[in-house]
Amino acid sequence: DSGVTQTPKHLITATGQRVTLRCSPRSGDLSVYWYQQSLDQGLQFLIQYYNGEERAKGNILERFSAQQFPDLHSELNLSSLELGDSALYFCASSSGLVGNTIYFGEGSWLTVV
Amino acid sequence: GIQVEQSPPDLILQEGANSTLRCNFSDSVNNLQWFHQNPWGQLINLFYIPSGTKQNGRLSATTVATERYSLLYISSSQTTDSGVYFCAVNPGAGKSTFGDGTTLTVKP
Repeated sequence: DSGVTQTPKHLITATGQRVTLRCSPRSGDLSVYWYQQSLDQGLQFLIQYYNGEERAKGNILERFSAQQFPDLHSELNLSSLELGDSALYFCASSSGLVGNTIYFGEGSWLTVV
Repeated sequence: GIQVEQSPPDLILQEGANSTLRCNFSDSVNNLQWFHQNPWGQLINLFYIPSGTKQNGRLSATTVATERYSLLYISSSQTTDSGVYFCAVNPGAGKSTFGDGTTLTVKP
């Protein structure tokens, strides 16, 4: 158990819908990361927050947004879902900005039908 | 951005055999980690190793930062070692870049 908690574990939704994925980082960790893992694109970094502020952005679509709340939990919002958004979405956390071990949650499996 | 190449892409071993997985990266990094993704999709942190050598049981890792590569050694492999091994590097603040992984299959 990495200490990073993600909900829901599995989600099936229809095209055009909107979903929210939730992440609680390890106790004491200030950085939260979101990754997408799909069969054709591997593990792709989406976005990082540190202590409530966005710090780095990767290949995140405009239809996707995230935030980190004062209690340090984070949410990833996916809207206008398309079939190609079906993937495993990981949240990870670390204690600092750089030079720290990153721990991954178990992921949220999203299937868009 | 930084490029990460892992080799071999696939590896099939008999139980008890040893193996070496390699990760090459194209630029200096502050952070390098090895992960094991098991058949259930969980990403398990193996080593945080931006430089030097570490050992944990049957697994060990070495990173030669000046030559921009890292090696993961698995000794006396077991069927539970099967899965995908990823190397991830971070050149600075923010995102880690993952390699494409090495898929390991250990046969009984």
